[in-house]
Amino acid sequence: QKEVEQNSGPLSVPEGAIASLNCTYSDRGSQSFFWYRQYSGKSPELIMFIYSNGDKEDGRFTAQLNKASQYVSLLIRDSQPSDSATYLCAVSGGKLIFGQGTELSVKP
Amino acid sequence: GAVVSQHPSWVICKSGTSVKIECRSLDFQATTMFWYRQFPKQSLMLMATSNEGSKATYEQGVEKDKFLINHASLTLSTLTVTSAHPEDSSFYICSARAGSEQPQHFGDGTRLSIL
Repeated sequence: QKEVEQNSGPLSVPEGAIASLNCTYSDRGSQSFFWYRQYSGKSPELIMFIYSNGDKEDGRFTAQLNKASQYVSLLIRDSQPSDSATYLCAVSGGKLIFGQGTELSVKP
Repeated sequence: GAVVSQHPSWVICKSGTSVKIECRSLDFQATTMFWYRQFPKQSLMLMATSNEGSKATYEQGVEKDKFLINHASLTLSTLTVTSAHPEDSSFYICSARAGSEQPQHFGDGTRLSIL
C-alpha cells in the first residue's frame, strides 16, 4: 500500500514568516511530486511540482525533494493571510496518492 | 495554461434524476482524466480513471452502473450520476493531465445536492 504522510496541523504562522510543510512517502520508486493548495469549499490548485532531488523555486514558494530520505517539503516565504488553506502533498504512481493535507493558518 | 473547465458548478435536483457533469481541458490534450468526490472536511476520494477511447477504471466500492463515465475525446470527459439519491450529494471534481508523470490540473468542481 503506497502511502503519503503529512502533519495534519493546523500549522499557524504569523504574517511575513516562513511556513514549512512536510511530507514523506513510502514508495521509493516514485518519480513525480506535487503540492496542491485547497481553499475551503474549492477544488485543489497546483502550486508546485518537482521531479529531481534538490530545490525548485517559484516566487514565494520553494519545493524541496530528497529521494534518499523519501521526503518532500514546501516552504512559503513571506506568508500572507491569503495563503491560509489546506496544502496537499501528492505523489504520482499512475494515479495521484494524496497525503491527508496540512491546514495552514497565517495570522495577520 | 493548463485550464480545466467543469460544468455545471452547482446542481440541485430531485431524487431519481440523472445528472451529467462535463469536464473539458481547454488548452491541452488530456490523455487521462480523473473523477473525484469529496465530502465536507474529508480528503479527496478517487472514483475513477478515464483514458480517451477506453472504458473507465473504477476504484473499489464505486458502482460503475451508478456513475457512468465517458471520455469521448482528448479534451472532454463526462460523469453521469444515474438515478441520484440524497446520499449522492457531494462535491464532484474532475482533473486532467497530459502525460503519465505530468501534473493533474483540477476543474472547479460541481456541488451536487439531491433533494
